[in-house]
Amino acid sequence: GQNIDQPTEMTATEGAIVQINCTYQTSGFNGLFWYQQHAGEAPTFLSYNVLDGLEEKGRFSSFLSRSKGYSYLLLKELQMKDSASYLCAVRDSNYQLIWGAGTKLIIKP
Amino acid sequence: IAGITQAPTSQILAAGRRMTLRCTQDMRHNAMYWYRQDLGLGLRLIHYSNTAGTTGKGEVPDGYSVSRANTDDFPLTLASAVPSQTSVYFCASSDGSAGELFFGEGSRLTVL
Repeated sequence: GQNIDQPTEMTATEGAIVQINCTYQTSGFNGLFWYQQHAGEAPTFLSYNVLDGLEEKGRFSSFLSRSKGYSYLLLKELQMKDSASYLCAVRDSNYQLIWGAGTKLIIKP
Repeated sequence: IAGITQAPTSQILAAGRRMTLRCTQDMRHNAMYWYRQDLGLGLRLIHYSNTAGTTGKGEVPDGYSVSRANTDDFPLTLASAVPSQTSVYFCASSDGSAGELFFGEGSRLTVL
């Protein structure tokens, strides 16, 4: 079966750096997405990786290793507004998105 | 403001009733999707449409139906609601099957 694993919850301190990991086992691979979802709101797109390596976008970076079935989202200079759930999703060989359950990130002052 | 509009935002429904969740997008995206989101689970695809006039079943299609008469609208119908359909429903669209998804604000449905 297809599976996306990410930690259920993480806690970090304002101003620090946090890394959220995602491992996947899917039928084929056509890209990996990270979305941010604040409580009670819709998911919003953060990043997309289809080739191995690091994609940087401001305070957020996303890394992909296809051979290891692994990705991480790196958040730097954490702000209170970064408190949210972070969703990892993989597009499989049929171009369907398989979603992880999300990682709830709690930022403490 | 361009985007996806869902209605209603929230609804309480008696079991056995019929319910249609509306979804409209103005981005002229070809692909549209309906997901449900339940606590502790990832987003699960109910139905999708790659282009107007076509629809397909997702991971959890039972008890739901969709139609795609035009590019902009993609309603989701629960023919006879059951309590297990209590969930938050998100409509999404993308510019083709490989693009990022844009989500509506969600419809919170409670079936009693």
